[in-house]
Amino acid sequence: ETGVTQSPTHLIKTRGQQVTLRCSSQSGHNTVSWYQQALGQGPQFIFQYYREEENGRGNFPPRFSGLQFPNYSSELNVNALELDDSALYLCASSSARAGTGELFFGEGSRLTVL
Amino acid sequence: DQQVKQNSPSLSVQEGRISILNCDYTNSMFDYFLWYKKYPAEGPTFLISISSIKDKNEDGRFTVFLNKSAKHLSLHIVPSQPGDSAVYFCAASAQGRDDKIIFGKGTRLHILP
Repeated sequence: ETGVTQSPTHLIKTRGQQVTLRCSSQSGHNTVSWYQQALGQGPQFIFQYYREEENGRGNFPPRFSGLQFPNYSSELNVNALELDDSALYLCASSSARAGTGELFFGEGSRLTVL
Repeated sequence: DQQVKQNSPSLSVQEGRISILNCDYTNSMFDYFLWYKKYPAEGPTFLISISSIKDKNEDGRFTVFLNKSAKHLSLHIVPSQPGDSAVYFCAASAQGRDDKIIFGKGTRLHILP
């Protein structure tokens, strides 16, 4: 059974640029959630994808967008990067809508915005 | 507006003793609660959960207690072991109403030899 994998693990961007982060969900899981974890904070919910549709969104601006593909892998796109976007971005997969379910997290992509 | 609060940023406990991590929540719609554990350079891993219809759930050395009237839950680890040193996140969700799980800021647990 393959776990959740994320790429890249680390990246550095400059303010105003755009970034794409990728996530492969755990085998058998059809739901992917994205979280942002700033330094010293807990993970904050960005959005969730279920069967290729956005299925819930947290308090993040529209420049945070995503996709889910037919194989349930997912991308997180952030446009017009700001310094405060520097954080660890975590992808989590689950086998059902994640309202009560256990989430399986990847190791995260650490984004630094200069 | 923090809906899930972990007021202790860190906790140190002697090996073999009981570790008690606390969590408070403000949203009365929450009806499912989870604890996650995170080691450095790894993603959080699920530890234990409890539904609001229960007041206790036990899994080996880990027990979670829920006090709905106080909107408080706690995680007990007994006996504490060196491998328990990690950051523990309390999380909550509202079943059927929302698909997002809300996390607290975490408590860093140090198990002392």
